[in-house]
Formats: sequence, structure tokens, C-alpha cells
Amino acid sequence: KAGVTQTPRYLIKTRGQQVTLSCSPISGHRSVSWYQQTPGQGLQFLFEYFSETQRNKGNFPGRFSGRQFSNSRSEMNVSTLELGDSALYLCASRRGTDTEAFFGQGTRLTVV
Amino acid sequence: GIQVEQSPPDLILQEGANSTLRCNFSDSVNNLQWFHQNPWGQLINLFYIPSGTKQNGRLSATTVATERYSLLYISSSQTTDSGVYFCAVINFGNEKLTFGTGTRLTIIP
Repeated sequence: KAGVTQTPRYLIKTRGQQVTLSCSPISGHRSVSWYQQTPGQGLQFLFEYFSETQRNKGNFPGRFSGRQFSNSRSEMNVSTLELGDSALYLCASRRGTDTEAFFGQGTRLTVV
Repeated sequence: GIQVEQSPPDLILQEGANSTLRCNFSDSVNNLQWFHQNPWGQLINLFYIPSGTKQNGRLSATTVATERYSLLYISSSQTTDSGVYFCAVINFGNEKLTFGTGTRLTIIP
């Protein structure tokens, strides 16, 4: 059974550009959530999607957005990149409420 | 929101030693997980343990939900156990995992 797949694994972007990250959850899992990990702020919740609907959103600016498709795959987009957006972005998939979360390998974004 | 505290923040042990990592949380939870973050950043699932006790080889975990804490035990530590261990919870009425700040474990040969 395939795990959670995140692409790309590494990304280097310039300030002001935008970026799209992708996450394919485990087959049968309908919940996808995104987290940002930085040395200073630790692991912080970005947003969560369930059956194409955003159920929860963290405290991030509007430059961070996401969506989920009918096959449960999810994308997150960051527009007008800032140096502070450099981080490891992790995606988690769950079957549903009150179930175990499984994480992908992450996308390491560097903004220069 | 719910607060999650992990202790100790850093732990350095000799190979073969045993260790106990603690996670305290400030509200009732319906989901608690322990993860080990590998050097490449991936979070590896160790336990899904909102309550009770579980064991998996040299690792075991106990969550006492009524007292709002969880413990992760590592016995006979190996160098491959080194890394950062995170506790994460979901409290009732919420769907996001809230992570603790982690415990960095270093096992010396």
C-alpha cells in the first residue's frame, strides 16, 4: 500500500515568485492537512481538507492557499514568496475523523 | 488553543540506556500520536495512543487521558534511535494536529 507522496521533494524559488506543492494521500483517505516546519516556529498547522472542503485553517496570511481534488489529492500554493517562507512543508493524510495521521516525506522549500 | 509541552527538550544517552519522554497537554484529546522525525525530515509514526498502553518492540507508550499526559519509553537505546521525537494531539471539536516542541534524543555509541 503506497504511502503519502509529496512532490517535489526540494524546491528553490526567488522572492516574489509563487510555488505549488502537491500531496497524494493514502488510497481511501479523504482528509489531507498541511504543516509548515521551521527551526524557529516548530510544526505549525496550515489547513485541512476533507472531501474537497476546507474544514480548518491555521493562522497564516492569505498568500497561503490550498485545494483538494475529487481524487483526494491536494495542492497548496504560496504566492509572493518571502524569505521567511523557507521551510519544510509536510502533508498528512487520514481516513477520517478520530483516525491516525500519516505523513509524507515533505517538500523542502528554499526562498532566495 | 490546546498547549502541548514535551520534556526534556534534549537528552543525551549512552547506547544501551533506557529513556522516558513526556508529553503534557492542556485539554482533553481524542487523538494522540508519537512520531520520530528522521534526518531527512519525514515524520515516522510510532504510536497512535489517545489512551491506554501500547508496545512495539523496544518502544512502548502510555497515555493517561484523565491526567493529560503521555509517556514514550525507549529501552536498550541504539544509535539509530537518535533524532527528534514529537508528540501531537487533536482535541475535541478540532481537526488539526497540535505538535509539541519535541525532544532531541542523541544516543552515543
